[in-house]
Amino acid sequence: EAGVVQSPRYKIIEKKQPVAFWCNPISGHNTLYWYRQNLGQGPELLIRYENEEAVDDSQLPKDRFSAERLKGVDSTLKIQPAELGDSAVYLCASSLNQLTNTEAFFGQGTRLTVV
Amino acid sequence: LAKTTQPISMDSYEGQEVNITCSHNNIATNDYITWYQQFPSQGPRFIIQGYKTKVTNEVASLFIPADRKSSTLSLPRVSLSDTAVYYCLVGDGMGAGSYQLTFGKGTKLSVIP
Repeated sequence: EAGVVQSPRYKIIEKKQPVAFWCNPISGHNTLYWYRQNLGQGPELLIRYENEEAVDDSQLPKDRFSAERLKGVDSTLKIQPAELGDSAVYLCASSLNQLTNTEAFFGQGTRLTVV
Repeated sequence: LAKTTQPISMDSYEGQEVNITCSHNNIATNDYITWYQQFPSQGPRFIIQGYKTKVTNEVASLFIPADRKSSTLSLPRVSLSDTAVYYCLVGDGMGAGSYQLTFGKGTKLSVIP
């Protein structure tokens, strides 16, 4: 069974340019998370979806970050415009649903470098 | 959110048992305790989850005292491949069974030959 798939694996862009990350969660998983992980730090939650609804986006910098999960399956995270401080690994994770304390499965992440 | 505190780093020799303790003094009644493992250039991976007493699986054991204000992840006979960062998470119990993953800085375990 395929795990959480993210693309691209790596992305280098110049500051002020837009960038988008894509995530395909495990089939049947209703909950989807986007995290940002800076070097030497733990992952920081950006947004959590239950199906197509964003139920927690309190940590998402809404001036430049946006996310969507159309049809409650795949999701994209966008940054426009990117800043130097956005360089990090962006992780997507999915879990079965919010009604049980089930484990989350993570993708390998997208390493973003803003130059 | 229940805050967690764990050691920043630990060293261990191969073949030894490693115990990593996590403090979570303000854990809520309906919170679960979960541990994740992360290797370099990979996303975190679930290890074990518990609510109280002891939980054991093929990878690790989790010990939770009666007051649930701390927990200990036990890795038996570690090998070099266990070198990773280990995160202790406590569910914040928002709503009926909803579970929010909040990571701290984790414990970097280095296994020495």
